[in-house]
Amino acid sequence: DTAVSQTPKYLVTQMGNDKSIKCEQNLGHDTMYWYKQDSKKFLKIMFSYNNKELIINETVPNRFSPKSPDKAHLNLHINSLELGDSAVYFCASSQEGGRGFDTQYFGPGTRLTVL
Amino acid sequence: SQQGEEDPQALSIQEGENATMNCSYKTSINNLQWYRQNSGRGLVHLILIRSNEREKHSGRLRVTLDTSKKSSSLLITASRAADTASYFCATLYSGNTPLVFGKGTRLSVIA
Repeated sequence: DTAVSQTPKYLVTQMGNDKSIKCEQNLGHDTMYWYKQDSKKFLKIMFSYNNKELIINETVPNRFSPKSPDKAHLNLHINSLELGDSAVYFCASSQEGGRGFDTQYFGPGTRLTVL
Repeated sequence: SQQGEEDPQALSIQEGENATMNCSYKTSINNLQWYRQNSGRGLVHLILIRSNEREKHSGRLRVTLDTSKKSSSLLITASRAADTASYFCATLYSGNTPLVFGKGTRLSVIA
């Protein structure tokens, strides 16, 4: 059983397109996150949600819109994709309230390539 | 930037040797966490050490925290080829900022 799953694993698309990445966790956690890892392996938080409420929004362009239909799911929709959006996007979850007080469990990542 | 710094950036050792990685951070913290990332995979949590703790162990892993020097170290004893991965420290600073990851140390264990 996969604890945190993401789909798709790979996403290749043209500049200007809109795409979504889905994330689901079956750990019963209250908090979910989206991270972006660039080509230099630098990992930076984008968003966190606690019980479907936005807790952290780290100055991410508003082309990125997270949506949490329930506390087990946090999807990421990206409008008007740009070359600089190419990266690996990781979803994560934790039991606590959204900043990092507790262990985070990561999904396998979605490698997004914008051409 | 509050990003922590791992040192070294890359480390190559023989199987059976010990590997030590260091992490320095900027201001007072709530906790510091170490994660491992195998190539092409997600991060896996290793150890969380709180600001009032000085040392924690988990199997072959030992983490120390020196708040006076604002640094932490991760020691992997008797390394194995399967320990080959990137290791990241992540710091939760006091205040209202989220967890901040360092740039990682790439460890290669040669059989």
